[in-house]
Order: sequence, then structure tokens, then C-alpha cells
Amino acid sequence: GQNIDQPTEMTATEGAIVQINCTYQTSGFNGLFWYQQHAGEAPTFLSYNVLDGLEEKGRFSSFLSRSKGYSYLLLKELQMKDSASYLCAAMDSNYQLIWGAGTKLIIKP
Amino acid sequence: GAVVSQHPSRVICKSGTSVKIECRSLDFQATTMFWYRQFPKQSLMLMATSNEGSKATYEQGVEKDKFLINHASLTLSTLTVTSAHPEDSSFYICSARVPSGDTGELFFGEGSRLTVL
Repeated sequence: GQNIDQPTEMTATEGAIVQINCTYQTSGFNGLFWYQQHAGEAPTFLSYNVLDGLEEKGRFSSFLSRSKGYSYLLLKELQMKDSASYLCAAMDSNYQLIWGAGTKLIIKP
Repeated sequence: GAVVSQHPSRVICKSGTSVKIECRSLDFQATTMFWYRQFPKQSLMLMATSNEGSKATYEQGVEKDKFLINHASLTLSTLTVTSAHPEDSSFYICSARVPSGDTGELFFGEGSRLTVL
């Protein structure tokens, strides 16, 4: 079956670095997405990886290992506004997104 | 980035009535739109894939006669919750994929919070 696993909740300190992991199992693979969702709002796109390696975009970076079925989202210089849920989603061979349950990130001062 | 607009953002209705939610792609043509629902503290659940000019494809367990989807144009898809009941209260979100040819990034509408009394 198809499955996405990510931690339910993480806590980090303002100014620090946090890594949110995601493992996936899909029928075929056409890329891995990370979305940010603030409470009561729709998700917003953060990153897309389809090749192995690290993609850096400002304070956020995303890593993918296709052989391991593994990705992580790295957030640096954490700000209070980064408190949100982070959704990992893998695209299968039919170009359908399989969504993880999301990781709620709590930032403390 | 591309803009997807959803309306209304909040709606309260009485049990037994029908509610229509609109999803528009404002600056691009979307041949495919997706409808999700999200319960509190849970992830997005894909309800159906809306295809312009043809019938929607519903996910297993989603009642197509209850959740009517119409994708009459390349910029508009509608979701009608018919004979709504309190258990239909949820956050409904639409998304559209920009036909970019590579990532096919999804852009989401603002979401519609439905409360059925």
C-alpha cells in the first residue's frame, strides 16, 4: 500500500534549526512535496524534490533520497511565524499526491 | 505564483440544505482541480478530482450524489454539498495544478469552513 510517515509534533526554540523527517512508500514516484499550513488556512507550497540531494531556498531546505524513500525539511533561524503544520506529500506514478498527516511544529521563545 | 480563489470562506447552514462552494483559477487555465476536506488536526483527504468537461473522479468512500462536482470551464469548479448534515461540517479546500510541465505544483484556494447546524 501507499504510505507517508512523519512525526506528529515537534518543538523547537526560536533562532534554532529543526529537521522534519518524512518516509514514503508509493506505487511509482514522481516527486516529493513539502507544504506549510497555518491553523485554519490552506496549505502553501514550500518545496519540490524529484532528484536525490538537497534543495536550498532561503531559510528552508529540502532533501530527498529516492533509494531510501526518505525526505526531510530543514528550517533554519526559526521564527515564531514558522509555527505551523508541515505536510509531506509524495506523487505516485499516476501523478496523484499521497499526503502525510502533517507535523505540527511548535516554536518557543 | 498562480492564484486560486475559493468562495465562500465561511458558511453556516441548516441541516438538510445544500451549499455550493466555488473554486476559481484566476490567472491560469486548470484542466484539473482537486477537492479536499480536512477535519481538525488531520491531514488533507482527497475527495475527488474534477476534470473540465467530464465527470469528476471520486475517491473511495466519497458519495458522489452527496458531493456534486461541476467543472464547467477551465477556470471554475464547484462543489455542492447536498442535504448537508452536521457530520459534513469540515474545512473544504480546492487546489489546481499549474500545467508547468515539470513539477505540476499545486496551488490551493483559501479554503471554505462549513458548519452545519
